[in-house]
Amino acid sequence: RKEVEQDPGPFNVPEGATVAFNCTYSNSASQSFFWYRQDCRKEPKLLMSVYSSGNEDGRFTAQLNRASQYISLLIRDSKLSDSATYLCVVKGSNFGNEKLTFGTGTRLTIIP
Amino acid sequence: DVKVTQSSRYLVKRTGEKVFLECVQDMDHENMFWYRQDPGLGLRLIYFSYDVKMKEKGDIPEGYSVSREKKERFSLILESASTNQTSMYLCASTGEGGGNQPQHFGDGTRLSIL
Repeated sequence: RKEVEQDPGPFNVPEGATVAFNCTYSNSASQSFFWYRQDCRKEPKLLMSVYSSGNEDGRFTAQLNRASQYISLLIRDSKLSDSATYLCVVKGSNFGNEKLTFGTGTRLTIIP
Repeated sequence: DVKVTQSSRYLVKRTGEKVFLECVQDMDHENMFWYRQDPGLGLRLIYFSYDVKMKEKGDIPEGYSVSREKKERFSLILESASTNQTSMYLCASTGEGGGNQPQHFGDGTRLSIL
């Protein structure tokens, strides 16, 4: 079983719609969770961290369910500029261990 | 703003060559990482370093080595390049302290081994 699993997509969604991605992780001792965004032929960039209580940043909402070991990303009122690959990322379980494990990414295309 | 600079965007080398990929960061970060990214496999960690002259194997270290002689520079070395090492290589860095510090990535080096 992969450490971090995501649906690869592609998700083709009309502009203005709401879209949600899920991601599951296998290590129950994982400490930190993130969503990164990667545009075509570009480097990954941090979109948002995921906190235990859930968190929101504008149109983006991230949630963590430790019991079921999954995290989610919700994008409301999607824009053309949201088209990208979204990477689910989980951080190592040891304090001070900065190692990240990346999912393979979910590709999102927003259609005009 | 953090800047992570990789020496080349595109590189073409021949099988059997020794290949050096260089990465420099300007934020005095302790931790540096080398990944490769392949379609369907995502980012996979090759090696990382948490201090000068320190290195740790990642998930796929075979065929690679690294060097961290100075804090700002982390080099990835392909000892004898092979065609299955054709990939996108990404360097990243992050500061000390755990928590939710993001990793900052360079632009990537697209390496082709012929």
